[in-house]
Amino acid sequence: EADIYQTPRYLVIGTGKKITLECSQTMGHDKMYWYQQDPGMELHLIHYSYGVNSTEKGDLSSESTVSRIRTEHFPLTLESARPSHTSQYLCASSERDAPRYNEQFFGPGTRLTVL
Amino acid sequence: AQSVAQPEDQVNVAEGNPLTVKCTYSVSGNPYLFWYVQYPNRGLQFLLKYITGDNLVKGSYGFEAEFNKSQTSFHLKKPSALVSDSALYFCALWGGKLIFGQGTELSVKP
Repeated sequence: EADIYQTPRYLVIGTGKKITLECSQTMGHDKMYWYQQDPGMELHLIHYSYGVNSTEKGDLSSESTVSRIRTEHFPLTLESARPSHTSQYLCASSERDAPRYNEQFFGPGTRLTVL
Repeated sequence: AQSVAQPEDQVNVAEGNPLTVKCTYSVSGNPYLFWYVQYPNRGLQFLLKYITGDNLVKGSYGFEAEFNKSQTSFHLKKPSALVSDSALYFCALWGGKLIFGQGTELSVKP
């Protein structure tokens, strides 16, 4: 079944730890996105990719980094987590052509808490 | 500047009554508008979109949205609300990327 997956769903870690949030999709979509959802529930685009070896920063400045080595996989890494990184992180994907026309498919999210 | 606004943080409706969740937008050029729903501890789910054509767009779970160009609005509607419709609703506009409104929490009481 075509879907988009995120692991872990919940993560509680200490300050200074390196973490990687995983995102995978089985729909063959070229475009993938990472959003940060703050406690006020607004969504902010932090990274996006339009294909393999393509990554761009979004609107919200983020200390995280991403990679896109395979079409289906778009992991997000924090080298040194801080309490300010506590948030929900949502991964999404959409079809190749005309993103203005095509809805995005979202994963279930990773809720990160940094102590 | 391209933007989307949801003027109500929260909407309360009794089950069986019609519901409206409001959205207004600002864009240069043709608007491409979307509605998403987010249930607790879940990602967003696509409900419907307006690209062109009929001003009344039908979507999932009995929802529909009315595009009004003169009022620059794209309100989400449902004729008869269900308790299970209680969730967070996001309006979004394509402006080179997807621009989300701040969200409206819909609460449907029995």
